[in-house]
Amino acid sequence: GAVVSQHPSWVICKSGTSVKIECRSLDFQATTMFWYRQFPKQSLMLMATSNEGSKATYEQGVEKDKFLINHASLTLSTLTVTSAHPEDSSFYICSAVAVSDTQYFGPGTRLTVL
Amino acid sequence: GENVEQHPSTLSVQEGDSAVIKCTYSDSASNYFPWYKQELGKGPQLIIDIRSNVGEKKDQRIAVTLNKTAKHFSLHITETQPEDSAVYFCASAFEGDTGRRALTFGSGTRLQVQP
Repeated sequence: GAVVSQHPSWVICKSGTSVKIECRSLDFQATTMFWYRQFPKQSLMLMATSNEGSKATYEQGVEKDKFLINHASLTLSTLTVTSAHPEDSSFYICSAVAVSDTQYFGPGTRLTVL
Repeated sequence: GENVEQHPSTLSVQEGDSAVIKCTYSDSASNYFPWYKQELGKGPQLIIDIRSNVGEKKDQRIAVTLNKTAKHFSLHITETQPEDSAVYFCASAFEGDTGRRALTFGSGTRLQVQP
């Protein structure tokens, strides 16, 4: 079946540093990938829609200059959290849309900012 | 925009019993309704989905029903097992000729199956 990977699975960083999270569709091509954020015991909140070869579309309230998204190929999208602060600590999950339109989720990346 | 409400927030059942989780959506244009299972520290996993052209879909112990008129859909798990314990999310989206819009998720239901 379709597999989506994320790297790293967890990361701890100091306040003020930048962190890059990779999302890869391993056995299918995805023109569209989504990035979600999930706080403990809460639902997934869509942050942005990433389309290959074009600029990402951000949801209201999500700072595009803070959360940089690059969808460089049909199998890779990256999310960079710039100048991270403790309030950015969260579980970040990506998903990739297959040709069938089914959305497959990655295993998530837990970011902790000290 | 779309709003999806999910109930209950927690559900505890005895092994072998059935579990039902209900969701309502607000956007009548939504026509795709997936259900996801999320285990602790992992990403959501699609378990079943339904499109608006059918009213019910079943896959072994899992079934989903959809009432377009009332704008609600439900997940039914029969013969529950301890490994069914997880958080379940409903979601909705619109599928058109240009593809599917992003999913809107419900708030989640924590299901605990007591052995």
